[in-house]
Amino acid sequence: AQKITQTQPGMFVQEKEAVTLDCTYDTSDPSYGLFWYKQPSSGEMIFLIYQGSYDQQNATEGRYSLNFQKARKSANLVISASQLGDSAMYFCAMRDAGGSARQLTFGSGTQLTVLP
Amino acid sequence: DTGVSQDPRHKITKRGQNVTFRCDPISEHNRLYWYRQTLGQGPEFLTYFQNEAQLEKSRLLSDRFSAERPKGSFSTLEIQRTEQGDSAMYLCASSPGQSNSPLHFGNGTRLTVT
Repeated sequence: AQKITQTQPGMFVQEKEAVTLDCTYDTSDPSYGLFWYKQPSSGEMIFLIYQGSYDQQNATEGRYSLNFQKARKSANLVISASQLGDSAMYFCAMRDAGGSARQLTFGSGTQLTVLP
Repeated sequence: DTGVSQDPRHKITKRGQNVTFRCDPISEHNRLYWYRQTLGQGPEFLTYFQNEAQLEKSRLLSDRFSAERPKGSFSTLEIQRTEQGDSAMYLCASSPGQSNSPLHFGNGTRLTVT
């Protein structure tokens, strides 16, 4: 079974609008962490935001916030006030105790295009 | 913090040749990871080092692949007898090891096997 599911291959948003990128996950481990990364066309993976399974508050980092719904096993990324530079591939990832290496397992990504 | 450095950025090779990639992690990070990413997909885990010890290898890592981190600093990933299916972006990442620590990625090495 896939651990991380991103069901939106592509999304469009108007500049200055907010956009939500969906991510659902699957784990039986009560302790896990969820990460979002941005990958522009240049290729580098840029860490955006982290949410721990025991965190009481939804994580926020500047224009990025994470809508964490534990019972639904979803961790959607919200980008407020979109900018043209936000156009990129966005990946949701999870780390749980299932992998002894503590590696991240990534979803297939969502390509976000910000329209002027 | 100079970031994770990978060399080369691009490599084109003929099928059957051997290739080697290098990764220099962030100096204070004891964990180093190799991932592979094909077009339109998320990165897939290949292998992981804690200091100089290779602690886990994915089933994606066939016998033709070998990775080393001899002194717990830089790492190399070698692919022997390359195949066209090996064409991908190879990403290196490092981490200080806490459970809430993100992986810091390099810019990757794009391999094309002709």
